[in-house]
Amino acid sequence: AIRMTQSPSSLSASTGDRVTITCRASQGISSYLAWYQQKPGKAPKLLIYAASTLQSGVPSRFSGSGSGTDFTLTISCLQSEDFATYYCQQYYSYLRTFGQGTKVEIK
Amino acid sequence: EVQLVESGGGLVQPGGSLRLSCAASGFTFSSYSMNWVRQAPGKGLEWVSYISSSSSTIYYADSVKGRFTISRDNAKNSLYLQMNSLRAEDTAVYYCARDSSIPAGYFFDYWGQGTLVTVSS
Repeated sequence: AIRMTQSPSSLSASTGDRVTITCRASQGISSYLAWYQQKPGKAPKLLIYAASTLQSGVPSRFSGSGSGTDFTLTISCLQSEDFATYYCQQYYSYLRTFGQGTKVEIK
Repeated sequence: EVQLVESGGGLVQPGGSLRLSCAASGFTFSSYSMNWVRQAPGKGLEWVSYISSSSSTIYYADSVKGRFTISRDNAKNSLYLQMNSLRAEDTAVYYCARDSSIPAGYFFDYWGQGTLVTVSS
C-alpha cells in the first residue's frame, strides 16, 4: 500500500498566520491527492482534490500544490474556523490511504 | 441536498457480527460508487471498502478482507457493511462516503455523520 506521511503532526498558530502542511507519498501518485478538514465530532470535509483544485464552496484562502510524491496544503490567512485536523488522501491506488493527520491548534 | 445517514452501530463482543446501513438521498444513488471509511477513537482515517455503482467491482482494505462484506441496494438507495469476526481493533466510527463523479475521482465528496462500533467484552 502507498504510505502517506504528513508533517508536522501538529502545529500552533494564530489567527491571520500563513500555515503550510506537507504530505509525502511513498511512491509517485501524479496529482491524485485530496485534502480534508475535520473538526471534533464531525465528519471530514473535502477541501481540495487533484492536488490543487478547490472544492466548490471552500474559501480561497485554502490552496494546494505538488505532484509526484510531495504535496502541500496552505492556508493563507488562518481564521478561527480553520482550527481543525487536516488529512491528505491518495487515490492513485484503488487501496486508498490517508496521512496520519495534522492538528492545527490555537497558539 | 445530498444526505448520507448511517445506522446499525453499537456494542458487540469480540468474534461477533454487526451490519451497518447507510441511507442515501438527494442524489442519484445508482450512479455513484460508495465507500466505508472508519476512524478509531482519537486516531486517523482508514479507508475500509469500496463498491462500484453497479456492484461489479468491490475492494477491501487488507485489515478487513475476509471478514467484512460491502453491498448495496440501488432500489432502496442504501449501502451496507456486514462485519463478521469482529476484533477490538475494529472499534471505530464508521462513515459512509460517496465518491466524486469526476472521472478517476476516487476521493470522497460527501460523508455521513458516522456510526460508532464498539467491540468489547
